[in-house]
Amino acid sequence: QVQLVESGGGLVKPGGSLRLSCAASGFTFSDYYMSWIRQAPGKGLEWVSYISSSSSYTNYADSVKGRFTISRDNAKNSLYLQMNSLRAEDTAVYYCARDGEDPHDYWGQGTLVTVSS
Amino acid sequence: EIVLTQSPGTLSLSPGERATLSCRASQSVSSSYLAWYQQKPGQAPRLLIYGASSRATGIPDRFSGSGSGTDFTLTISRLEPEDFAVYYCQQYGSSPRFGPGTKVDIK
Repeated sequence: QVQLVESGGGLVKPGGSLRLSCAASGFTFSDYYMSWIRQAPGKGLEWVSYISSSSSYTNYADSVKGRFTISRDNAKNSLYLQMNSLRAEDTAVYYCARDGEDPHDYWGQGTLVTVSS
Repeated sequence: EIVLTQSPGTLSLSPGERATLSCRASQSVSSSYLAWYQQKPGQAPRLLIYGASSRATGIPDRFSGSGSGTDFTLTISRLEPEDFAVYYCQQYGSSPRFGPGTKVDIK
């Protein structure tokens, strides 16, 4: 069955960096676009970024453009999100999700990122 | 940029009742790119509807989506106890965006 497991969250100071990972299993990872979506505590969902199956195309929300970088390693069935220059408003649960013909059809359970001094 | 508005913010209903949730876009959305998600407390969201009206795999037929252009609707024909949750619409074109959500709670 499809599984997505995020890791790498934690507490980081403003201006710091963090790298999130998402381990995928149960499907042919290299066939699918993948996305990161976040949810601040008690708030709604915010799409962050997506990457094409071959990494040739990426897109970012304006709120993270220039600070976050999405990448993937199809040989390792893994998706990544490098987050730099972190701000308090980046505090959220970060989900990875699979994008097929259906958008975000499978989600991980999320990893919490807290940006605080 | 397309902005999505959902109404009402909260819908208080009883099990067995019909729920009608609205999603309005600031400009026309291709129906191919409108989705609905359900989220329960402490859980990841779950895809319900994509392409405005197609049910995702495993979604019961009491959930239906309709609409086009700027006005879309999610209907739950008869609420089951497990349906009380927050529902988000999303346009998933080149720059995806979610609406603010509608909470369906027990009256």
